[in-house]
Amino acid sequence: KAGVTQTPRYLIKTRGQQVTLSCSPISGHRSVSWYQQTPGQGLQFLFEYFSETQRNKGNFPGRFSGRQFSNSRSEMNVSTLELGDSALYLCASSRQGQAMNTEAFFGQGTRLTVV
Amino acid sequence: GENVEQHPSTLSVQEGDSAVIKCTYSDSASNYFPWYKQELGKRPQLIIDIRSNVGEKKDQRIAVTLNKTAKHFSLHITETQPEDSAVYFCAASIGGGADGLTFGKGTHLIIQP
Repeated sequence: KAGVTQTPRYLIKTRGQQVTLSCSPISGHRSVSWYQQTPGQGLQFLFEYFSETQRNKGNFPGRFSGRQFSNSRSEMNVSTLELGDSALYLCASSRQGQAMNTEAFFGQGTRLTVV
Repeated sequence: GENVEQHPSTLSVQEGDSAVIKCTYSDSASNYFPWYKQELGKRPQLIIDIRSNVGEKKDQRIAVTLNKTAKHFSLHITETQPEDSAVYFCAASIGGGADGLTFGKGTHLIIQP
C-alpha cells in the first residue's frame, strides 16, 4: 500500500513568486492536513480538508491557501512568497480525520527555500 | 486556540535507562493525543496515541499516560536503545469536533552508549 506522496521534494523560489505543492494521500484516506515545519516554530497546523471541504484552518495569513480534489489529492498554494516561508511543508492523511480519532500518516515533505 | 507545551527540549539518558517526556495542553475539548518520532531528514512517524476516554496505553517499551483533569500527558520509554535517539513530538487534536493537530515544540532524545 503506497504511503503519502508529496511533490516536489525540493523547491527554490524567489521572493514575490507563488508556489503550489501537491499531496496524494493513502488510498482510502479522505482527510488531508498540511503543516509547516521550521526549526524555530516546530510543526504548525495550516489547514485540513475532508471531502473537498476545508474543515479547519490554522493561524496563517491568507497567502496560504489550499484545496482538495474529488480523489482526495490536495494542493496548497503560497502566494507572494517571503523569506520566512522557507520551511519543510508536510501533509498528513487519515481515514476520517482527527475528529474521528484516526491516525495521521505523514508524507516526506516538500522543502521550500525562498531566496 | 489550543496551546501545547512540551518539556524538556533536550533529554540525554544512558542506554538502558528510562526516558520521560511531558506535555500540557490548554483546550479541554481536545480528545486525541498522538506522539510522533522524527529521525533526522525523515518524516514524523506515529509511535503511540491515546484517546481522552483512556488513562494509560502501553506498547512494548513505550507507554503514554493522560491526566484529563490536569490537562497533561506523558510519554515513557523504558530500556532505551540507540535507535530511540530522535526528536519526539506530542500533539493534541484541535478541539473536539475540528480536525488537525497542535504540536509541541519537540524533545531531542539522545541515548548515550
